[in-house]
Amino acid sequence: GAVVSQHPSWVICKSGTSVKIECRSLDFQATTMFWYRQFPKQSLMLMATSNEGSKATYEQGVEKDKFLINHASLTLSTLTVTSAHPEDSSFYICSASPGTGPNSPLHFGNGTRLTVT
Amino acid sequence: ELKVEQNPLFLSMQEGKNYTIYCNYSTTSDRLYWYRQDPGKSLESLFVLLSNGAVKQEGRLMASLDTKARLSTLHITAAVHDLSATYFCAVDETNNAGNMLTFGGGTRLMVKP
Repeated sequence: GAVVSQHPSWVICKSGTSVKIECRSLDFQATTMFWYRQFPKQSLMLMATSNEGSKATYEQGVEKDKFLINHASLTLSTLTVTSAHPEDSSFYICSASPGTGPNSPLHFGNGTRLTVT
Repeated sequence: ELKVEQNPLFLSMQEGKNYTIYCNYSTTSDRLYWYRQDPGKSLESLFVLLSNGAVKQEGRLMASLDTKARLSTLHITAAVHDLSATYFCAVDETNNAGNMLTFGGGTRLMVKP
């Protein structure tokens, strides 16, 4: 079964509104989770690293004030797209692992398709 | 900055044929992943390659890793239509510090009957 759950799986919102996406590790704790974005017919690009109990680390070119990340517990990270615009329409995928060693499995959520109208 | 390049980006092949997808990366890493993605879906893990010379096989797919050449291959044997999907390689640039991946551009595979 799925060990990383994302919710919602799809969302349509109007331009200017905010959308929150949740990423939960179901049967393990994750001090670190990762958020990726995938535009149509493109690859996945890392947006940010979500750190439990501290600030997220954003990749170059990703606006931290627009993409708010909260990792308040060891099993939940949220990504909020604030004041969404049509160019934010994308497939957002999170990943998490119970550890950082080479044998720790890496799990991806099922993704959230965001459409901003 | 780690760069991961896949080729080809698009591959159309007949059922029953063999082909290889290549994944080159620019910096030292001991962890390389291969994923499959179907349209509208998330990633399905295929292989994790952890050491130089690693070879893993599952069904008609076989992956290998040459860390000295910074090259991984995904070989398809006797392709069938069900293998049609987009395949990504990804490299863990932080090695033991994280599971933060840099993805290749993807190879869109279409297997024709």
